[in-house]
Amino acid sequence: QVQLQESGPGLVKPSGTLSLTCAVSGGSISSSNWWSWVRQPPGKGLEWIGEIYHSGSTNYNPSLKSRVTISVDKSKNQFSLKLSSVTAADTAVYYCARGSSVVVRAGWFDPWGQGTLVTVSS
Amino acid sequence: DIQMTQSPSSLSASVGDRVTITCQASQDISNYLNWYQQKPGKAPKLLIYDASNLETGVPSRFSGSGSGTDFTFTISSLQPEDIATYYCQQYDNLPRYTFGQGTKLEIK
Repeated sequence: QVQLQESGPGLVKPSGTLSLTCAVSGGSISSSNWWSWVRQPPGKGLEWIGEIYHSGSTNYNPSLKSRVTISVDKSKNQFSLKLSSVTAADTAVYYCARGSSVVVRAGWFDPWGQGTLVTVSS
Repeated sequence: DIQMTQSPSSLSASVGDRVTITCQASQDISNYLNWYQQKPGKAPKLLIYDASNLETGVPSRFSGSGSGTDFTFTISSLQPEDIATYYCQQYDNLPRYTFGQGTKLEIK
């Protein structure tokens, strides 16, 4: 079955850029699904960041849109997140997940990666 | 944006109890509502999709109901392994997805 695995630096300096990659295994990133990033600050709830389709089309949460870039690398079966101008408020566990289908209206996230904690601190 | 309000924010119940969590949307979202379980230190897991459909492999003691603005998630007989935080999530206005604030379930 499809599995996702996040990777990237666990510590980012304030005003820097957070960069994470999600490797997809057991299935193709070129399937009929969008691929999403979701984050969770320590002790808090879940926030959808954005999504990408294998064609390169993207959708972002309006609250983060000015700072977010999501890209896809079909040759490596992975997609990536960049979040610029980070502050302590961006400290969170970042999850990648398989999202909506383009074939049927199916807007849930399944499966999820295990998540990776990114701390913004000098 | 559509706001999702879950209640209660925390809940303590005994093994074998029937547990109910509610999720209210700020506007009609039809049945575009999903439920997740998140155990400490783990990623969320999809339990219910489209308000009432049980994901494959999820125990039948979990169920969901509702449509429009009011939704209910029920555990018919609480088990020790059900201790987790539960989240609702709407997808009525794609590509916007919003989650409820979560309900932390503890054993009494």
